Amino acid sequence: AQTVTQSQPEMSVQEAETVTLSCTYDTSESDYYLFWYKQPPSRQMILVIRQEAYKQQNATENRFSVNFQKAAKSFSLKISDSQLGDAAMYFCAYTSGTYKYIFGTGTRLKVLA
Amino acid sequence: ETGVTQSPTHLIKTRGQQVTLRCSSQSGHNTVSWYQQALGQGPQFIFQYYREEENGRGNFPPRFSGLQFPNYSSELNVNALELDDSALYLCASTKGLAGYTGELFFGEGSRLTVL
Repeated sequence: AQTVTQSQPEMSVQEAETVTLSCTYDTSESDYYLFWYKQPPSRQMILVIRQEAYKQQNATENRFSVNFQKAAKSFSLKISDSQLGDAAMYFCAYTSGTYKYIFGTGTRLKVLA
Repeated sequence: ETGVTQSPTHLIKTRGQQVTLRCSSQSGHNTVSWYQQALGQGPQFIFQYYREEENGRGNFPPRFSGLQFPNYSSELNVNALELDDSALYLCASTKGLAGYTGELFFGEGSRLTVL
């Protein structure tokens, strides 16, 4: 069975600094997709970044980038130039193209002014 | 473009009661998935509806059931509520079905408390 693990329940970062959130996963599939979602307090979950497993190049979206290590089954999120608005729960997620997405337990990110 | 909307936002029920949660999918989307997010946990897949049929189901008992209507809106029904059913219930809509691997568009959720 596929699993997604986030081992950091909470992280803190100083405003304008860089922080990395960790995610590992387990699957026997060779083709799959990985995501980072952001869930602000009392607001809807939104997509931060998406990575196709068949692409070796790491995805980037402005200040957000990933370090995708397929052999190690690792998928970390780097947030550069952290802003107060980045404070939220961050969830790592996986799908292999079936009907369901599998989420990790989340990392709460605090941004210190 | 109208996003995913869910109702009610908060509700309180007692053990043994039944609850219905509602979701309107984003404009142009024909697939709705429901997730349960317990406190301190990530979302867990309950089931998915496509063209008014259940397309897939997670590890949830039959007392969790759903419907999808011709306008693609959806309901989640939970019978015989238990204390462990207390959670945030998230609805996500997408367009298309087969092998979908893109973004899930979530509503803000319905927070259910069972006393």
